[in-house]
Amino acid sequence: DTEVTQTPKHLVMGMTNKKSLKCEQHMGHRAMYWYKQKAKKPPELMFVYSYEKLSINESVPSRFSPECPNSSLLNLHLHALQPEDSALYLCASSRTGHSYNEQFFGPGTRLTVL
Amino acid sequence: DAKTTQPPSMDCAEGRAANLPCNHSTISGNEYVYWYRQIHSQGPQYIIHGLKNNETNEMASLIITEDRKSSTLILPHATLRDTAVYYCIDRDSGGYQKVTFGTGTKLQVIP
Repeated sequence: DTEVTQTPKHLVMGMTNKKSLKCEQHMGHRAMYWYKQKAKKPPELMFVYSYEKLSINESVPSRFSPECPNSSLLNLHLHALQPEDSALYLCASSRTGHSYNEQFFGPGTRLTVL
Repeated sequence: DAKTTQPPSMDCAEGRAANLPCNHSTISGNEYVYWYRQIHSQGPQYIIHGLKNNETNEMASLIITEDRKSSTLILPHATLRDTAVYYCIDRDSGGYQKVTFGTGTKLQVIP
């Protein structure tokens, strides 16, 4: 299995809702990442988990809450989002966080906040 | 801030080689140069990476200049399916897990 899966593919939520994005990989990778991508812009790093521990938080607002329950799973919990948070949310994984390991990306979750 | 610069767009005739340049003049000795591409609304796809030597795989070739300040990604026989945004990235040596995408080059392969 050489892919990163993300669910759901699309998500529409109101500003008062709580929802979660899920990411899964079975490649034995120990680094996992969340990115946010606005239309016609490059992906921007949000969080990095290394060996199930949060190692990088790129000053992301607390309404985004990541979780890594085990080495194969990465969640992003969403609460009280704003319309400007509408974007494509991408998950990625790599064997370790070292720069010689390439990242494998999932297809993304298209989030719309009403 | 992104430390690579790329032309915003390029065209290439189908069947010809596509040569995509990237400038990374501030790259340090331990930083790898990576190339990814993103086909519309899909997740980025890894293409190739290198440190000092030229690299080749089944998708592309990567030519890195001797001073490492620039590189070129070569797609030897471009097809319509190669139409995508191509990102050149140098991996941050200060926090090795960090990845900063630049603005990329939109490659349009023309029939």
